[in-house]
Amino acid sequence: EAGVAQSPRYKIIEKRQSVAFWCNPISGHATLYWYQQILGQGPKLLIQFQNNGVVDDSQLPKDRFSAERLKGVDSTLKIQPAKLEDSAVYLCASSLAGGGNNEQFFGPGTRLTVL
Amino acid sequence: DAKTTQPTSMDCAEGRAANLPCNHSTISGNEYVYWYRQIHSQGPQYIIHGLKNNETNEMASLIITEDRKSSTLILPHATLRDTAVYYCIVRVAGSSNTGKLIFGQGTTLQVKP
Repeated sequence: EAGVAQSPRYKIIEKRQSVAFWCNPISGHATLYWYQQILGQGPKLLIQFQNNGVVDDSQLPKDRFSAERLKGVDSTLKIQPAKLEDSAVYLCASSLAGGGNNEQFFGPGTRLTVL
Repeated sequence: DAKTTQPTSMDCAEGRAANLPCNHSTISGNEYVYWYRQIHSQGPQYIIHGLKNNETNEMASLIITEDRKSSTLILPHATLRDTAVYYCIVRVAGSSNTGKLIFGQGTTLQVKP
């Protein structure tokens, strides 16, 4: 089966610019996650969607980050304006459901560099 | 914060068993132990999970101590492709759980020829 798709794979921007990342989860997966992974650290959850509703966005810096999953399938994560500390890999993951023991499948990530 | 403690790095000879320890002394009765790994430049990959019984699948075995305060992930015959960062995560599983994975620093396993 096709895995989680993300684009772009790499992005370089200057601080105060805007950027958007796209994720297409595995078909049929109701739950979608966005994680931020700073170099040398483990991934940190930013936001979790169940279908098109937000389940957990407690770690999302809402003054500059936004995410949507309008039709309950694809999702976009936006940063506006970007700061130097936003340089990281942004990982998208999906699972059949949020609860239970459902395995999370991760995409390859988008590496963002903010100059 | 992560609720697990793992060594920062380990080496293993190719073909040998790799034994990766994890300490989770504050684990609750309804929390499972999960293992994921992340190969360089890829997203994390699920390996195995367990509650209190030992588990085995095609990738690895998970040994959980009787008091559930620690566990060991065993890769029976490590290959160069097993070089990765291995994350041990404790997580509540249930209908009310958000499914959030809280990653720590993990253990960097280097398999050497």
